[in-house]
Amino acid sequence: EDQVTQSPEALRLQEGESSSLNCSYTVSGLRGLFWYRQDPGKGPEFLFTLYSAGEEKEKERLKATLTKKESFLHITAPKPEDSATYLCAVQDNYGQNFVFGPGTRLSVLP
Amino acid sequence: NAGVTQTPKFQVLKTGQSMTLQCAQDMNHEYMSWYRQDPGMGLRLIHYSVGAGITDQGEVPNGYNVSRSTTEDFPLRLLSAAPSQTSVYFCASSYSTGQPQHFGDGTRLSIL
Repeated sequence: EDQVTQSPEALRLQEGESSSLNCSYTVSGLRGLFWYRQDPGKGPEFLFTLYSAGEEKEKERLKATLTKKESFLHITAPKPEDSATYLCAVQDNYGQNFVFGPGTRLSVLP
Repeated sequence: NAGVTQTPKFQVLKTGQSMTLQCAQDMNHEYMSWYRQDPGMGLRLIHYSVGAGITDQGEVPNGYNVSRSTTEDFPLRLLSAAPSQTSVYFCASSYSTGQPQHFGDGTRLSIL
């Protein structure tokens, strides 16, 4: 059974204080790992897809990396507008399901 | 370009009532899905569809029914609402499996 865990559950940073969010997964053949951002009262917004170990993607202050067991979302010099819940999801090669982690709630204080 | 549109945005039901949550997408996506989101549990897949006329169950299908008669629409039916179905429901779509999903803004459903 595919499983996804995320840590920490919540993270408070000062503006400019870089950090990383972790997504650990167990899947029988990875088709893709997805990162999403969710603002309160809104649906998740797509950030990145990673398909194979060693792959990296960047967008503004965010960088996602992937190994065979986990993915990291690195946030460099965050701003208050980066405050949101960050969700990780995986899809395996055998099914059509997406399995989501519980998310990390990020707060960036000015 | 509207993307994924969900209606209604809010709904309150009494136990035993039935209702349909609507989802429509205008991106010609083949894959559509329904999730529920509960505090501390993340998004859980209810049902999904890989194309018109094809649906399948996800992780938590009991108490819900779906059909897919067109590429654009994927309604979710609650047959007999129960308080345990109080949740936020999200519809999503993607070009195909393995591609990132686009989400609607959700329907907030309370069952009294």
